[in-house]
Amino acid sequence: EAQVTQNPRYLITVTGKKLTVTCSQNMNHEYMSWYRQDPGLGLRQIYYSMNVEVTDKGDVPEGYKVSRKEKRNFPLILESPSPNQTSLYFCASASPGHRNTEAFFGQGTRLTVV
Amino acid sequence: AQSVTQPDIHITVSEGASLELRCNYSYGATPYLFWYVQSPGQGLQLLLKYFSGDTLVQGIKGFEAEFKRSQSSFNLRKPSVHWSDAAEYFCAVTPNTGFQKLVFGTGTRLLVSP
Repeated sequence: EAQVTQNPRYLITVTGKKLTVTCSQNMNHEYMSWYRQDPGLGLRQIYYSMNVEVTDKGDVPEGYKVSRKEKRNFPLILESPSPNQTSLYFCASASPGHRNTEAFFGQGTRLTVV
Repeated sequence: AQSVTQPDIHITVSEGASLELRCNYSYGATPYLFWYVQSPGQGLQLLLKYFSGDTLVQGIKGFEAEFKRSQSSFNLRKPSVHWSDAAEYFCAVTPNTGFQKLVFGTGTRLLVSP
């Protein structure tokens, strides 16, 4: 089954404790991206990657890091989480070169930083 | 810069009534256009998409959307709403050159009354 898998689904952590949210896709997609969803703001892009070792900032990259060492994985790293990073996070993947492509989303990770 | 406007934060519709959710975008060229639905506690599901061609697009769950270039709009419609349609709906755009950036509107929450 084609899917984007995020882990964990729920996470509560304390300020300053480094964490990683994993994202994996099994569709051989070149494009992957991270979004955060906050009430009244919709989804905002954090980082994206057009292929292995190619990453770029989205609209709200501050406080986040990413890496793309393998095509299937795109982890989101919070080196020193702060309460304003409490949010619902989504990973997405797509194959930009295909006609009529679409973005596939993971189930989301709800992060609470206390 | 691209932007997407969903002017209605909340909409309440009686079950069986028709529905129209508004979406306007700002972009220099015709982008790719999408509607996603997010049920409570769930991820994002693609309802329909527009790339080119026929401006009336059919999607899943009985939804359709019409692209109007002159109005920069991509409104979502359904002739008869079911209680299970209660969810949050997001309009999104991406440049027709690829998936570098999927820009979302702030969402419209649909409430369905008996």
